[in-house]
Amino acid sequence: KAGVTQTPRYLIKTRGQQVTLSCSPISGHRSVSWYQQTPGQGLQFLFEYFSETQRNKGNFPGRFSGRQFSNSRSEMNVSTLELGDSALYLCASSPTQRTLNTEAFFGQGTRLTVV
Amino acid sequence: AQKVTQAQTEISVVEKEDVTLDCVYETRDTTYYLFWYKQPPSGELVFLIRRNSFDEQNEISGRYSWNFQKSTSSFNFTITASQVVDSAVYFCALRVTGNQFYFGTGTSLTVIP
Repeated sequence: KAGVTQTPRYLIKTRGQQVTLSCSPISGHRSVSWYQQTPGQGLQFLFEYFSETQRNKGNFPGRFSGRQFSNSRSEMNVSTLELGDSALYLCASSPTQRTLNTEAFFGQGTRLTVV
Repeated sequence: AQKVTQAQTEISVVEKEDVTLDCVYETRDTTYYLFWYKQPPSGELVFLIRRNSFDEQNEISGRYSWNFQKSTSSFNFTITASQVVDSAVYFCALRVTGNQFYFGTGTSLTVIP
């Protein structure tokens, strides 16, 4: 069974540009969450999608957005990039949405560097 | 508000030693789950263990064991007979309604051969 796949693995962008990151969850999983990991702030929740609907959102500016497709694949977009957006972006998939006891499976992340 | 604190930033042990990673959490929810994840250099978070708020029974799974104490809001994780492959960053996480994880800042473990 394939794991969570995130593409691309590495990305370098210039300030002011926009970027789109992709996440393919484990087959059959319908919930996808995104996290930002930085040395200063640690792991922070961005948003969660289930059945193509955003179910929960973290405390990030509107420049961060996402969507989920009917095949459960998800994309997140960051517009008007800032230097502080440099981070490892991790995607996590879960079989369903409202099961606290279910572990989430994480991808290897996309390392975004803004210069 | 939810909060997870991992006071140990970095730990180094010699191979075959036991090591305990500390985790203290804060929540007002009565139903919650606690997790430990491991992050190797490759980047992905690997699930290790979980415990729910109603079950304080401590268990052992292979070389891993955990000590959950609601009275002190602690969920400590122990690796017995550490190995070089255990070197990684370990995260404690809390999950309440809303499904998101609240992660601690992580403990970087180095096992020296």
